[in-house]
Amino acid sequence: AQSVSQHNHHVILSEAASLELGCNYSYGGTVNLFWYVQYPGQHLQLLLKYFSGDPLVKGIKGFEAEFIKSKFSFNLRKPSVQWSDTAEYFCAVTGGFKTIFGAGTRLFVKA
Amino acid sequence: GAVVSQHPSWVICKSGTSVKIECRSLDFQATTMFWYRQFPKQSLMLMATSNEGSKATYEQGVEKDKFLINHASLTLSTLTVTSAHPEDSSFYICSARATRDERRNQPQHFGDGTRLSIL
Repeated sequence: AQSVSQHNHHVILSEAASLELGCNYSYGGTVNLFWYVQYPGQHLQLLLKYFSGDPLVKGIKGFEAEFIKSKFSFNLRKPSVQWSDTAEYFCAVTGGFKTIFGAGTRLFVKA
Repeated sequence: GAVVSQHPSWVICKSGTSVKIECRSLDFQATTMFWYRQFPKQSLMLMATSNEGSKATYEQGVEKDKFLINHASLTLSTLTVTSAHPEDSSFYICSARATRDERRNQPQHFGDGTRLSIL
């Protein structure tokens, strides 16, 4: 069965700190990987996606993610967070036809 | 960009009533739409996959007689919560994948969600 695991449920950082959110998945076949963000009171927005090719993917707002196939991981990173990055971040995996979401990580950035 | 519209955005109703939620793809055709449910402080849980012109595929543990899905056209899917009870109170979100994108497995486009409150 397909599953997605996000390691941290809550993360608190100060502005300018570096961010790394973990995401691991289990699926036996080819996957497509996504990170979504949900700002307070808003709907989901796509941050970045990986389908194939370069395993280091760059997304919007300075975010990037690296697909490590051997570790079944797709961690999200940002070198320097801002207060406006306060949101909930969801890792999602499409294997076959369905997209499954991780439990989410709530990031709070202190100004 | 692709837009998915969900209606209503918020509904409050009495226990025992049925509630219909609409999900429309405004500028693209969607053979497949997905219905998710999000409890407070939790992730999105896939409830069912809605297929245009055929029966929906429900995830394990989701009652198909409770959550009726109709995908009558390439731009509209509806979710009806029948005989709703307080435990059905949740945030329901639909998403759609453009028919033209299905083979390339492009990301889904999400609606703004419907907050359902059952008193």
